[in-house]
Amino acid sequence: NAGVTQTPKFQVLKTGQSMTLQCAQDMNHEYMSWYRQDPGMGLRLIHYSVGAGITDQGEVPNGYNVSRSTTEDFPLRLLSAAPSQTSVYFCASSKTGASTEKLFFGSGTQLSVL
Amino acid sequence: DAKTTQPTSMDCAEGRAANLPCNHSTISGNEYVYWYRQIHSQGPQYIIHGLKNNETNEMASLIITEDRKSSTLILPHATLRDTAVYYCIVKSSSNTGKLIFGQGTTLQVKP
Repeated sequence: NAGVTQTPKFQVLKTGQSMTLQCAQDMNHEYMSWYRQDPGMGLRLIHYSVGAGITDQGEVPNGYNVSRSTTEDFPLRLLSAAPSQTSVYFCASSKTGASTEKLFFGSGTQLSVL
Repeated sequence: DAKTTQPTSMDCAEGRAANLPCNHSTISGNEYVYWYRQIHSQGPQYIIHGLKNNETNEMASLIITEDRKSSTLILPHATLRDTAVYYCIVKSSSNTGKLIFGQGTTLQVKP
């Protein structure tokens, strides 16, 4: 019962570095999404996807890229990391994204940008 | 999606019912009320959702007022492991997948 798996759990970057946060799910879910959570705040939606080859922007997409080449994987790319991107990142998925479905969340990636 | 208002924090004695309120006065007819919780720094966990009828599952009960402008999440017998941030979220049926999180209510269950 892997569910939603995120790697790495922790990452430290220097300003300007690039990296990819990985997210994989084994539930055959069409809908996947990325959130960030800053200290003391709720989660904010970065990008989401309703199926392979389809992505869209959420509330805070700037500085992040995504692609969805397979149903299972939805990587989040930081092209040039900035200190403002220090946050905890959560990936979530559901069957189709319909209103009556619950989201399954990964355990998060804690990212620090120095 | 309609906005929600929740108290910042609440306390509850272990073994007692925890009643967490949520106001969503601008909710429209096709919007569902969802509750998630986040324990420490883990990923949020789904609890329950409803449209207009009261709902119950193995974790909690959801009471939605008749005018749907507010709701209450009830944890019938709170334990120390229920200490968490609880998020009330309103989501449109036409809004595929996207959940808009507020700051939630921090519930502290005390022995």
